Amino acid sequence: AQTVTQSQPEMSVQEAETVTLSCTYDTSESDYYLFWYKQPPSRQMILVIRQEAYKQQNATENRFSVNFQKAAKSFSLKISDSQLGDAAMYFCAYRSANGNMLTFGGGTRLMVKP
Amino acid sequence: KAGVTQTPRYLIKTRGQQVTLSCSPISGHRSVSWYQQTPGQGLQFLFEYFSETQRNKGNFPGRFSGRQFSNSRSEMNVSTLELGDSALYLCASSSGLRLAKNIQYFGAGTRLSVL
Repeated sequence: AQTVTQSQPEMSVQEAETVTLSCTYDTSESDYYLFWYKQPPSRQMILVIRQEAYKQQNATENRFSVNFQKAAKSFSLKISDSQLGDAAMYFCAYRSANGNMLTFGGGTRLMVKP
Repeated sequence: KAGVTQTPRYLIKTRGQQVTLSCSPISGHRSVSWYQQTPGQGLQFLFEYFSETQRNKGNFPGRFSGRQFSNSRSEMNVSTLELGDSALYLCASSSGLRLAKNIQYFGAGTRLSVL
């Protein structure tokens, strides 16, 4: 079974600065997908960014980028130019290439200081 | 395009009762997955329905069941409620195809409190 670990329960960042959230996972599969979801106080999970394991190039979406290290099974999220609206719980998730089930990490609460 | 709709948003039940939660997926999506979110256990997969058939099931007791209708709407039922069933129940909608572009879109959840 796959497991996803987020070792930072809480992080804080100053507005306009950069923060990196960590995620490691364990799998014996070679083909899979990784995701970062954001859950604000409204509770609705919002997809931030996704990465296909077969792609070596790291995904980017505007101020969000990932550092995907397949051999190390590491998938960190970098948020640049942090904004107050980035404050939320962030979840790292894994999906097998031949399934639709998401396995989530425990989450990291990000606080943004004005 | 309307998003994923979950009803009701909040529910209060007592131990031993049963409850039904509803999820309407994004139009055109054929897969609905359910997740339970608690402070202690985090986010856990309950089951997935695709074209009215349960395609995958998590490690939950038989008190948790679900179904999907021909219009892809899904219901989740919990019988004989226990205090530990208090949680946020999230529904996720996707095309259900096992491709890179298959993204799961979540509803705002139903907050269930069992007293």
